Amino acid sequence: DAGVIQSPRHEVTEMGQEVTLRCKPISGHNSLFWYRQTMMRGLELLIYFNNNVPIDDSGMPEDRFSAKMPNASFSTLKIQPSEPRDSAVYFCASSLDRDRTEAFFGQGTRLTVV
Amino acid sequence: AQSVTQPDIHITVSEGASLELRCNYSYGATPYLFWYVQSPGQGLQLLLKYFSGDTLVQGIKGFEAEFKRSQSSFNLRKPSVHWSDAAEYFCAVGAGGGNKLTFGTGTQLKVEL
Repeated sequence: DAGVIQSPRHEVTEMGQEVTLRCKPISGHNSLFWYRQTMMRGLELLIYFNNNVPIDDSGMPEDRFSAKMPNASFSTLKIQPSEPRDSAVYFCASSLDRDRTEAFFGQGTRLTVV
Repeated sequence: AQSVTQPDIHITVSEGASLELRCNYSYGATPYLFWYVQSPGQGLQLLLKYFSGDTLVQGIKGFEAEFKRSQSSFNLRKPSVHWSDAAEYFCAVGAGGGNKLTFGTGTQLKVEL
């Protein structure tokens, strides 16, 4: 398996624009996680899905952020409208299940909002 | 709520020297504990994990960690560091579903040749 695949690797956008980050989890994995990494706040869990259903979105910073998982092989994280403070590296991770199994991380999307 | 403290932001060691990275956690129940490594521009790679059983766990690349409940610690060790170990290391605790991870702030390891 190619691992968790995220696209794009880098995204530069202007403030106010919509940004969509994409993630393809490892085939057969039932849980998917979105994390954000910044210098100020470190790594934070934004939302996670189990069997395509959002289980906990308490980490989503505000209504401008939304995430979907329409099927087992694809998830999106959308920011609309984007703001400079959203600049960060966004990681997607997947695991076989939600319990007692390791999470495999993608290489991340570096988002810069100018 | 769970939390993780990595007290050392930066550590420098000489190649061949031993290494210990500290991690303390706070969690009300039995924790699931992880160490991840991140190289520049890369994602996180799991080094090792503790779920239950033997408190000394072995991981990849010659790393090991020991779970000490009495000290709420899960320190990472390696007997002899290689230059390729230079990276950032994150300790994490899994709550609820195990993989809902709370990360520490990371320790940046520099290896001097």
